[in-house]
Amino acid sequence: DAKTTQPNSMESNEEEPVHLPCNHSTISGTDYIHWYRQLPSQGPEYVIHGLTSNVNNRMASLAIAEDRKSSTLILHRATLRDAAVYYCILRRNTGGFKTIFGAGTRLFVKA
Amino acid sequence: EAQVTQNPRYLITVTGKKLTVTCSQNMNHEYMSWYRQDPGLGLRQIYYSMNVEVTDKGDVPEGYKVSRKEKRNFPLILESPSPNQTSLYFCASSPYEGSWHNEQFFGPGTRLTVL
Repeated sequence: DAKTTQPNSMESNEEEPVHLPCNHSTISGTDYIHWYRQLPSQGPEYVIHGLTSNVNNRMASLAIAEDRKSSTLILHRATLRDAAVYYCILRRNTGGFKTIFGAGTRLFVKA
Repeated sequence: EAQVTQNPRYLITVTGKKLTVTCSQNMNHEYMSWYRQDPGLGLRQIYYSMNVEVTDKGDVPEGYKVSRKEKRNFPLILESPSPNQTSLYFCASSPYEGSWHNEQFFGPGTRLTVL
C-alpha cells in the first residue's frame, strides 16, 4: 500500500507562511492527495485535496510535484489557531476505498 | 447542522464484554469509515462502507465487526474486547468517492479503555 512520509514536527512564527511537506513516492495514478488537520481534543477536519494540479481554497494551498511523488501544504499566514497535527493522506480507488493516514506533522506556532 | 455523532464518547469496560460504538451521520453520505488513533501511530482505518450492506476491511480489522443496515448508521462492534483495543476511535463519512468533493467529515471521537 502506498504510504506518506511527513516530518514529525515543524515550528512557525505567527503571521508567517508555513510549508508542510509530504512524500508519497509510491502513489498510484488513481490516488487523491488529501490534507486534514487535527486540533487538540477534536476529530480531524478537512483542509484541502488535489489530484495533479495545484489547488487553493480559503484555508490553504496545495502544491503537487509534477511527478506526484510529493506535495506541500501551504498556510499563507500562520495563526495560533493553526497549531495542530497535519495529516497528508492518500485516498485510493483500487479494489475499494481505503484511506491511508501518515503519522502527521505537529505544527507549533509561536506568537 | 451537518454532523457525525458517536456514542458513547467515553467508555471503560473489561476484557471480553461485548460492546458497540454507534456512529450516525445526517448528510446522506454513502461512504462511512472507522479509524483508531494511537500515540505515535496516527489514524489507522479499521473498516469502511461504500453503501448499505457493502463493507470492507481497512488496515487493522482484526477484533472488530461492522454492519451497515441503514445509510445513516455504521456501528462498530467489539465482540470480545481486549486491552490492545484501548484507543481513541473516530467515525467518518463522505459523499460517494466518485465525486471531486469527497471531503471526509469526522465525528468527535470515542475514547475506549479495556481493562
